[in-house]
Amino acid sequence: IVLTQSPGTLSLSPGERATLSCRASQSISGNYLAWYQQKPGQAPRLLIYGASSRVTGIPDRFSGSGSGTDFTLTISRLEPEDFAVYYCQHYGGSPPYGFGQGAKLEIK
Amino acid sequence: EVQLVESGGGLVQPGRSLRLSCAASGFTFDDYAMHWVRQGPGKGLEWVSGISWSSGDIIYADSVKGRFTISRDNARNSLYLQMDSLRADDTALYYCVVRGNYYSFHYWGQGTLVTVSS
Repeated sequence: IVLTQSPGTLSLSPGERATLSCRASQSISGNYLAWYQQKPGQAPRLLIYGASSRVTGIPDRFSGSGSGTDFTLTISRLEPEDFAVYYCQHYGGSPPYGFGQGAKLEIK
Repeated sequence: EVQLVESGGGLVQPGRSLRLSCAASGFTFDDYAMHWVRQGPGKGLEWVSGISWSSGDIIYADSVKGRFTISRDNARNSLYLQMDSLRADDTALYYCVVRGNYYSFHYWGQGTLVTVSS
């Protein structure tokens, strides 16, 4: 399974809504799709698992949706600390785990 | 608080070996599958290998199969990655990771840097 994220870079202003897409080359069963945020010099942080379940402590402005081959991470109102690189990740198929190439969310 | 502390990285020549370690604390180590994920300089994330709580199930990415060996010592709350026949494209920051719900990667260490160069 290959995950393709789009857009590669998204330029928005604080307060705006961000929509990041992750498309899989084959259907992902069980909704085994997760989203991570990574800031410079830091390890990735898990935001969403099971396509739509938010990790405890993650603000509710972050939401995940989708099934099959199309998944979306939405940030409803951008805060300054949300500008980072986001990755989607799948489980299943061959290889059993994989990541999208990443999408950079930058301040406009 | 979950803590994962990687060690063992460094500069190594192509073809040589290196052993990474990860010391875990703050959770019941032998309840969880553990993984290694790497990130090349300026690049994205790449899953490397995973091991079940009992060491009964072990999986590898094709890029490291036959060269890397993952293991764990539940008595010592430690995860290991033996890396043999290292290549330049193995250069990366190696993260120790706890597998979470729905096969996600919940907790991450800060990583240990491996540089393969002559």
